[in-house]
Amino acid sequence: DTEVTQTPKHLVMGMTNKKSLKCEQHMGHRAMYWYKQKAKKPPELMFVYSYEKLSINESVPSRFSPECPNSSLLNLHLHALQPEDSALYLCASSQWVTGNTIYFGEGSWLTVV
Amino acid sequence: GQQVMQIPQYQHVQEGEDFTTYCNSSTTLSNIQWYKQRPGGHPVFLIQLVKSGEVKKQKRLTFQFGEAKKNSSLHITATQTTDVGTYFCAALYQTGANNLFFGTGTRLTVIP
Repeated sequence: DTEVTQTPKHLVMGMTNKKSLKCEQHMGHRAMYWYKQKAKKPPELMFVYSYEKLSINESVPSRFSPECPNSSLLNLHLHALQPEDSALYLCASSQWVTGNTIYFGEGSWLTVV
Repeated sequence: GQQVMQIPQYQHVQEGEDFTTYCNSSTTLSNIQWYKQRPGGHPVFLIQLVKSGEVKKQKRLTFQFGEAKKNSSLHITATQTTDVGTYFCAALYQTGANNLFFGTGTRLTVIP
């Protein structure tokens, strides 16, 4: 069982919708991540938050907007997505930013129609 | 961007046979991690290797980090059906960074 909790597990949204993915961890970790994983592909890093501040943005389109309200929560706001954005979105956390074990949540399966 | 090549892409083995997946980078790595993802599941951390030439074992799994810190391998002895899944290496290129670059993965199928 993972200690990183993601909601919702499944989301279907239209291209004009606004939705959010949520992530929560209570391990006291100070780094949190969003990864995107397409079918049969490896996870691709999207964003890294360190001490609640955005430290890495891997050139992600602005239709994806991350937010870290506090050290336990991480959101990913979605707006005007395209069908090719359909994927598994994985939240993860690690104790510190530097080279630690990363713990993944179970992911949110997103389908854009 | 950074690339981590992993081979083979797929591997089918008879239960009881051994399995190895290899991970290669063109540049020196700070450390390398290995993850397992079951079908329909999420990546689960297996091990982290940091030192040149490091070898770590977990029951039937043996992990190695190359002397030059550019390659790594995962070897499973006497595979079982519970070993089914995709094995990813994930590389850190810089000390102090935490943007892991995942290898392409090896999908293991174990035939009972």
